Order: sequence, then structure tokens, then C-alpha cells
Amino acid sequence: EIVLTQSPGTLSLSPGERATLACRASQSVDSTYLGWYQQKPGQAPRLLIYGASNRATGIPDRFSGSGSGTDFTLTISRLESEDFAVYYCQQYGDSPYTFGQGTKVEIK
Amino acid sequence: QAQLVQSGAEVKKPGASVKVSCEASGYTFTNYGVSWVRQAPGQGLEWMGWINAYNGHTDYAQKFQGRVTMTRDKDTRTAYMELRSLRSGDTAVYYCARYSPGWGFDPWGQGTLVTVSS
Repeated sequence: EIVLTQSPGTLSLSPGERATLACRASQSVDSTYLGWYQQKPGQAPRLLIYGASNRATGIPDRFSGSGSGTDFTLTISRLESEDFAVYYCQQYGDSPYTFGQGTKVEIK
Repeated sequence: QAQLVQSGAEVKKPGASVKVSCEASGYTFTNYGVSWVRQAPGQGLEWMGWINAYNGHTDYAQKFQGRVTMTRDKDTRTAYMELRSLRSGDTAVYYCARYSPGWGFDPWGQGTLVTVSS
């Protein structure tokens, strides 16, 4: 099983700041099968990034993904109020399709 | 656009079973899979498995093997997840999501709260 470890656990930032979220895998992940999701309280997760770097439909270009092998990054270039949420990375190439434990981006 | 609508909240006693439905619309049902993910209160996301809507092939997380069954009805475009021998630790919101190896899980259903309590 591929274990995904996200860091930091919580990120305290102000609107307009840049957020950098990390996701490290216990073994190499094909970047084709690495995704990022956003979840707000009381809502279902929403796909942001697929294939490590491709924005899903309707996702603003302030969200970007990068990385390969065992290290992946989600960057939010300038935080807006609606971006404060929990973010999960996921690999869906090797069963079981595991999630990271999440990074909470909170208002400082 | 693609949409998944799940059945309503359930309250079950320990040892019982629950069956959650997930009705798809806005896309060709048999061109994708449906995956199931659960989230315990205040916790992260846990993948349970998925079903290929075209041929019914399933792949379950080892943790749920023997306790979960995923099925689908192509005529009604509905996927189902049944979990048996429920215990308090199964209390969670259960989500279905359309699955494609090309882009992961998108969209997601609204979630179904299953509460297991005596």
C-alpha cells in the first residue's frame, strides 16, 4: 500500500498570501495518477488537480500542481477567502487508492 | 453536467447492514467506474473500493473485504454499496464518486451519513 504523507498538517496564512502544500509518497507514484481535492466543512470533496498538474474543469488558475516520483506539491498563488479549506492528495494508480491525511489551510 | 445523487441518512444497530445508493446522471454511466469513500467524524478520507459500471468488476480495499459488496444497475444508472456487520466505528459519511483512471474522482455525490448506534 502506498502511504501518502501531507505536510504541514495546518497552514495559517492571510488572504493574498501564497500557500504551498506537500504530499510525499512511501514509494514512487506515476504522476498520471496523482490528484488533489479540496473539502470545505459539510461538503463533499472537489477535484482540483489530476495527473499531478492538470487543473480540473472550472478550477481557477491560481491553483497549480507539480511534482513527480515521491514528491508532489499543490500551490495556491494568492489565497482568496473561499480557498480556506482542507486539501487532500490521492494516488489512484495502484490499488488501494490511498489519500493523504489532509492539510488544513486556515485564516491567520 | 455529470451528477451523482445519493440516498438519505441511515441509522443502524450494531450487527446490521446498510445499503447506500448513488444515482448517476449527465454522462454515459457505463464509460466510468464508481468509487466509494468514507469519512468518519472529524477524520480524513478512506477509500473503500470501486466498481466498473460497464462489466461490474469490483476492487475492494483489503480492510473491507468480506464485509462490503458494490453493485450497479445499468438500467437505472445506479450504483450501490452494502456494508454488513456494522459496528460503531463504521459511523461515517459515505461518498460515491465517478472514477476514471484519466482524472481520478470527479464528481462526488453529496454524501450519506450512516450512524451505527445501539
